[in-house]
Amino acid sequence: AQTVTQSQPEMSVQEAETVTLSCTYDTSENNYYLFWYKQPPSRQMILVIRQEAYKQQNATENRFSVNFQKAAKSFSLKISDSQLGDTAMYFCAFMKLFTGNQFYFGTGTSLTVIP
Amino acid sequence: SQTIHQWPATLVQPVGSPLSLECTVEGTSNPNLYWYRQAAGRGLQLLFYSVGIGQISSEVPQNLSASRPQDRQFILSSKKLLLSDSGFYLCAWNPSTDTQYFGPGTRLTVL
Repeated sequence: AQTVTQSQPEMSVQEAETVTLSCTYDTSENNYYLFWYKQPPSRQMILVIRQEAYKQQNATENRFSVNFQKAAKSFSLKISDSQLGDTAMYFCAFMKLFTGNQFYFGTGTSLTVIP
Repeated sequence: SQTIHQWPATLVQPVGSPLSLECTVEGTSNPNLYWYRQAAGRGLQLLFYSVGIGQISSEVPQNLSASRPQDRQFILSSKKLLLSDSGFYLCAWNPSTDTQYFGPGTRLTVL
């Protein structure tokens, strides 16, 4: 079974500063995808960034980047130059390939950007 | 472009009443479809997924059931709601490669 753990229920960061959200996962699979989703107060789930497990290079999307450590099964999200609109719940997710491409989500980290 | 719809947006139902939540996807064919439940302050729990018409896989034994009567329609049902069925229900679709895209969700309150 796949499990995803987010050990930081709540975090805060000053506007324009950098924050890192942590995520670890447990799997016996070798090929999979990892994701970070953002859920603002509207509750719409928005894809932030994704990482293919077979790629060693860390994914980046503008101010968002990940630190993917496959051996350690760690997948942290770094948000640079934090903005007020980044305030949201952030969910780490694991996708097992095939058999329906099922996703497994962590319990989330509530991030507050302080002006 | 592809869009995903869910309705109703909010629903308040008494215990023991039936439930039907609908999800439809536009602009694609043969998507993988998923139902999740998000309890207050918690993560997403995968309930059901479907890789095709009439094909339903259940992840967790529930008071709920799912059906896929058409290629782009996914329905979540219950014959008798329980208090513990309250939550935020999200439908998602996957374009058979990677990444899931989510609908706007349905907030269900069982009283």
